[in-house]
Amino acid sequence: NAGVTQTPKFRILKIGQSMTLQCTQDMNHNYMYWYRQDPGMGLKLIYYSVGAGITDKGEVPNGYNVSRSTTEDFPLRLELAAPSQTSVYFCASSYGATNEKLFFGSGTQLSVL
Amino acid sequence: DAKTTQPPSMDCAEGRAANLPCNHSTISGNEYVYWYRQIHSQGPQYIIHGLKNNETNEMASLIITEDRKSSTLILPHATLRDTAVYYCIVRVAASNFNKFYFGSGTKLNVKP
Repeated sequence: NAGVTQTPKFRILKIGQSMTLQCTQDMNHNYMYWYRQDPGMGLKLIYYSVGAGITDKGEVPNGYNVSRSTTEDFPLRLELAAPSQTSVYFCASSYGATNEKLFFGSGTQLSVL
Repeated sequence: DAKTTQPPSMDCAEGRAANLPCNHSTISGNEYVYWYRQIHSQGPQYIIHGLKNNETNEMASLIITEDRKSSTLILPHATLRDTAVYYCIVRVAASNFNKFYFGSGTKLNVKP
C-alpha cells in the first residue's frame, strides 16, 4: 500500500494564481483531512471529509475549497493565492473509530510570492 | 485554543531514556491523548495514544497521571534517529468526527 500520496511536493505561485493540491489514499479510509503548518507551529485543520460527497470546514478554511467525489481522493483548491497561504500542506486520512489514528502524506511545500 | 502545553526543546544523550512532558489541564473525560512525531518536514508519524491507563508499544511508553491533566512520553533508549519534533495532541469528539488539536511540539535533540 502506498498510504497517503500528495502531489506536488513543492510549488511556487504568484499572487492571484490558483492551483489544486492533490491527495489520494489507498486504505479505504472514510475520513480525510487537510492541514497547514506554518514555520515553527503545529498543524491547523483547513477542511475535512467524513465520506464521499461530504465535506466541512475546519479551523482555517478561508481561501480554500475542497471536494470529495470518491473515497480515495480529496483535492484542495487554492483560489487567488495570497502570501499568507505560504505554508506546508498535509493531507491525512483515518478510518474513524474510537482508537483511530491519522495517517499523513509527505506534504506539499507552497510558496506564494 | 491550545489544549496542550509542551516545552519547546529538550536534549537527550544517545542510549538514555527521553522523557517528554505534556500538560493538558483542560482535558475532558472522553478525550484521548495522542503523540506524534515529525522528522524534518515529513508528515507526522503516529507513536502512541491513551485515555486513562498507561500504554506501551514497540516505540514508546505513555504515562498519564491519575487526574489526566498531564502525561509523559518515554522513549526508553533514544537514538540519533529519534531527533524530531514531538507533538502531544488531544483528540476531541466533535459532532461527526474526531478533531485532533496539535500544539507547537517539543524539539528533541538526541546527542552522541
